[in-house]
Parts: sequence; C-alpha cells; structure tokens
Amino acid sequence: EVQLVQSGAEVKKPGESLKISCKGSGYSFTSYWIGWVRQMPGKGLEWMGIIYPGDSDTRYSPSFQGQVTISADKSISTAYLQWSSLKASDTAMYYCARTKAAAGHKFDYWGQGTLVTVSS
Amino acid sequence: SYELTQPPSVSVSPGQTARITCSGDALPKKYAYWYQQKSGQAPVLVIYEDSKRPSGIPERFSGSSSGTMATLTISGAQVEDEADYYCYSTDSSGNVFGTGTKVTVL
Repeated sequence: EVQLVQSGAEVKKPGESLKISCKGSGYSFTSYWIGWVRQMPGKGLEWMGIIYPGDSDTRYSPSFQGQVTISADKSISTAYLQWSSLKASDTAMYYCARTKAAAGHKFDYWGQGTLVTVSS
Repeated sequence: SYELTQPPSVSVSPGQTARITCSGDALPKKYAYWYQQKSGQAPVLVIYEDSKRPSGIPERFSGSSSGTMATLTISGAQVEDEADYYCYSTDSSGNVFGTGTKVTVL
C-alpha cells in the first residue's frame, strides 16, 4: 500500500528554523517526484516546489524560491521541507504528494499534512 | 505568473448537477486535474488528464475541457460531495492550483 506519512504538528517562534518530513512507503521512492503544497488558514492550495529523490533534481515556484528548501534522503525514503527563519506568515498546513512528473501530472497520493504554527 | 480562475462557490440540491469551471490560458495545450478537499482532510484526486477518473471515484464525477476552460461535473450530487474543489494545471512558468470552489449540497 502506497503511503506518505508526514511528521507531526510544530509550534515555533518567529526567527526559528524548522524541517518537516514526508516518508514514502509501498512504492519505489526514487521513481516518483514529491511535491509540497501550502494551505494557509481558510485559504486555497499553493504549489511550492518539487523534488525527484532519485537525483535530487529540485524545482521551486517563483513565489517560494529562496523562502524554503526542499531536499530528500533516498536512503530512508524521506523528503523534507525546511525554513531557516520562520515568519508568522508561514503558519499553514503543509502537504506532500507523489507525482510521476515535475510538471502537469497528477498527484495521486498525499500525506496527511503537517500543521506549522509560528507565533511569538 | 499563471492563474487558474474558478467561481468561489456553487450550490446544488441533492440529486441535481453541479458544474465547476476552471479558466486558464494554457488549458488548450495542458491537461487539467481536479482535487476534492473535505473539511480537515487532505486533497483527493477525482479527475486527471481532463476527463479520466481514478479507481474508487464515483461515476457521478466527470471532467471535460474545451479551449481555455475545464469543467468538473457532479451528476446527481450527494450530500457527501460537499467540499472544496481545486483544478490544477501547468504552463511554462510552473504548476498552479486554481482559486478553489466551495460546493454546497443542500
């Protein structure tokens, strides 16, 4: 069974760093891209970026380039989304999802989401 | 940057047909995908490549695309179809989700 399991909810202060994870199982982790999607409270879905764990090829939405870092460790089938200095505006639910191509392809399996709260 | 525009809300009575549109300049050349998101849950793929339905998705969900508009149709809407729906596609500048449509079934 294909599963994407994300790390648990986080509460952080502005300026702190954070790395959340997404662990894949039940499929060849290095054969699919993992994308990250932000959903701010009460708002819509936003495509942030995507990584191919097979060779770490990474693409970012212009809106998120330089704001976050996407990485992966294929040895443990895990993708990551990280911030070096959080802002209150980073408060959101973050989802990872699996897809066969970097652009214009279906996300067929999703993680359960990680809620990140940034507050002083 | 690329934008996909959806109506903010659609209301439908149980058993009636709901249509949700998604407008984007690249849709004549790129596929549209549709996701359903129920309150407090992760999105679920309901239509891919304009009109294909994943296994497990009820037949009342269908999709079409013509010119710069893609459409998700729920034929015989059920109370359990009440959710937010997002289209998704791409162009040369990247991938993007639509603005989202809240479907109310009452």
